[in-house]
Amino acid sequence: GAGVSQSPSNKVTEKGKDVELRCDPISGHTALYWYRQSLGQGLEFLIYFQGNSAPDKSGLPSDRFSAERTGGSVSTLTIQRTQQEDSAVYLCASSLVSEQYFGPGTRLTVT
Amino acid sequence: QKEVEQNSGPLSVPEGAIASLNCTYSDRGSQSFFWYRQYSGKSPELIMSIYSNGDKEDGRFTAQLNKASQYVSLLIRDSQPSDSATYLCAVNVYMNRDDKIIFGKGTRLHILP
Repeated sequence: GAGVSQSPSNKVTEKGKDVELRCDPISGHTALYWYRQSLGQGLEFLIYFQGNSAPDKSGLPSDRFSAERTGGSVSTLTIQRTQQEDSAVYLCASSLVSEQYFGPGTRLTVT
Repeated sequence: QKEVEQNSGPLSVPEGAIASLNCTYSDRGSQSFFWYRQYSGKSPELIMSIYSNGDKEDGRFTAQLNKASQYVSLLIRDSQPSDSATYLCAVNVYMNRDDKIIFGKGTRLHILP
């Protein structure tokens, strides 16, 4: 079946602009995670959605970052007023129980 | 603070030898343990999951879990150059009534031809 998809695959934006990153999880998966990975670094947890529960936003680095998940499926990560330090690969993962399956990521470059 | 610890490496292993990757975790209540492989420029790929103490084998891979020592390891037999990657350990933790997965920072493995 279809895996996790993310769009766009690459995004170049100017400092100060807003960006939206999209994640389509595997159908039926109730949990969805967003991570950030800078070059050569580990996964940085951003936010976690589980079913209809309130999301765990404890990893969001600043109030410029927000995410929503509509209808328990597609999720959008929004970064407002982008900064150069936001440049990274943004990864989305979904799971049904506990095994996470990752999308291909969105490479964000802020110039 | 619930943590997953891994040696960052790089771990260099000759081709054909056994590569041993180790991971420790802090939450005694953890029940689910995973190993992911991440090639450079790619997203992590699940390669093993283990839930019970002991060994679990899948092809050239063996995961070993010791809950008493809070230790999980991954053995790769007959290492191949294609095994060169970063290996991420992941563990479930219970926080704020939610079951959540946390990742270690990964160990870079380099198989020497």
